[in-house]
Amino acid sequence: GAVVSQHPSWVICKSGTSVKIECRSLDFQATTMFWYRQFPKQSLMLMATSNEGSKATYEQGVEKDKFLINHASLTLSTLTVTSAHPEDSSFYICSVPSQQAGGAYNEQFFGPGTRLTVL
Amino acid sequence: AQSVTQPDIHITVSEGASLELRCNYSYGATPYLFWYVQSPGQGLQLLLKYFSGDTLVQGIKGFEAEFKRSQSSFNLRKPSVHWSDAAEYFCAVDVTGTASKLTFGTGTRLQVTL
Repeated sequence: GAVVSQHPSWVICKSGTSVKIECRSLDFQATTMFWYRQFPKQSLMLMATSNEGSKATYEQGVEKDKFLINHASLTLSTLTVTSAHPEDSSFYICSVPSQQAGGAYNEQFFGPGTRLTVL
Repeated sequence: AQSVTQPDIHITVSEGASLELRCNYSYGATPYLFWYVQSPGQGLQLLLKYFSGDTLVQGIKGFEAEFKRSQSSFNLRKPSVHWSDAAEYFCAVDVTGTASKLTFGTGTRLQVTL
């Protein structure tokens, strides 16, 4: 499958600061990427769809001013957690749909995730 | 809205034993069904998927799953578990047909004893 990377793999920050997480599609261009959030011992929840050249689409209940998404290029999407608080601590995962990689069927390729801890 | 239930939070099996992980979904029609595995430090990896056709699907690493419409289930099986199979397993459904909105179950953590 396609290779999707995330950086950093983990980050610790102080409450009130902002943190940027990068998601890169390493071997193909992606006009669409997805951002998920995973709480400990819980499922992945889709946060938003990142669209290259246009605004991100957020799922219901996700604060778009809190979680800023920028699809800077066809290989890079960033998620910025603004004014982070301890409740934002979580595992953030990005993915790219297979159609972007020329896939013949529908699936998503996932990045390894970024663990955010807000003190 | 669709939902996915994985009734078993944690399962422990001995190496070499058979495995079955349960997954039930709630949706009016037949969705696209997936099983993913998540290992520490690695992204979710697709084990197998069901779109239509043969209800018994084969995946990677010796896994298979059977879609049962009457039971709204898509259980994952492996005849002989290896210690390297220890990981978190997620069942997911997609009702859009475009893999744009995956709904995940809460996951089942598999522990393998030697």
